[in-house]
Amino acid sequence: QQPVQSPQAVILREGEDAVINCSSSKALYSVHWYRQKHGEAPVFLMILLKGGEQKGHDKISASFNEKKQQSSLYLTASQLSYSGTYFCGTGGSNYQLIWGAGTKLIIKP
Amino acid sequence: KAGVTQTPRYLIKTRGQQVTLSCSPISGHRSVSWYQQTPGQGLQFLFEYFSETQRNKGNFPGRFSGRQFSNSRSEMNVSTLELGDSALYLCASSPSGDYGYTFGSGTRLTVV
Repeated sequence: QQPVQSPQAVILREGEDAVINCSSSKALYSVHWYRQKHGEAPVFLMILLKGGEQKGHDKISASFNEKKQQSSLYLTASQLSYSGTYFCGTGGSNYQLIWGAGTKLIIKP
Repeated sequence: KAGVTQTPRYLIKTRGQQVTLSCSPISGHRSVSWYQQTPGQGLQFLFEYFSETQRNKGNFPGRFSGRQFSNSRSEMNVSTLELGDSALYLCASSPSGDYGYTFGSGTRLTVV
């Protein structure tokens, strides 16, 4: 089952914060987060593994709630370069990723 | 460090033909996955190879097949092309399943 991402789209002003959620109906082993800009390939942001800690770098971080089978991506003080579509990929113990439909993020100056 | 290389970048084929797409992963990466991306369907998993063995397979018809060579390079083949196969095909490599994937730029296939 495809994980559910919310919101589907969000428009922010530069400097504002955003949260993107990813929920699965299945037990998760891992959650991947990627950003894809128009016409480009998806770019890896971070991976969260079952039993692992919250991850983050710079102003982008993520959490993984294993019991609720949810993950959230936090974008702090957004920059224009953060614009794009964010995908979460959920993985079981077999390493196969199932992808959410994506969240389109638009940052305006 | 070279990235993931996919060839060709663009391809136009006629319905009924077959096509082979190539993917060269990052050196040392043993896992290679293939995805189909369309505007309406998002990223759809085709299959994953690890050390020359298909480890996972998505819900695509048997017309879609792949293989991985001993140097980790991978090919994907689609036989009897249909109009609905028009899409961006992405390849992604990883050292194993517990690491993030690096995507190639993709092959845009158009079936006419």
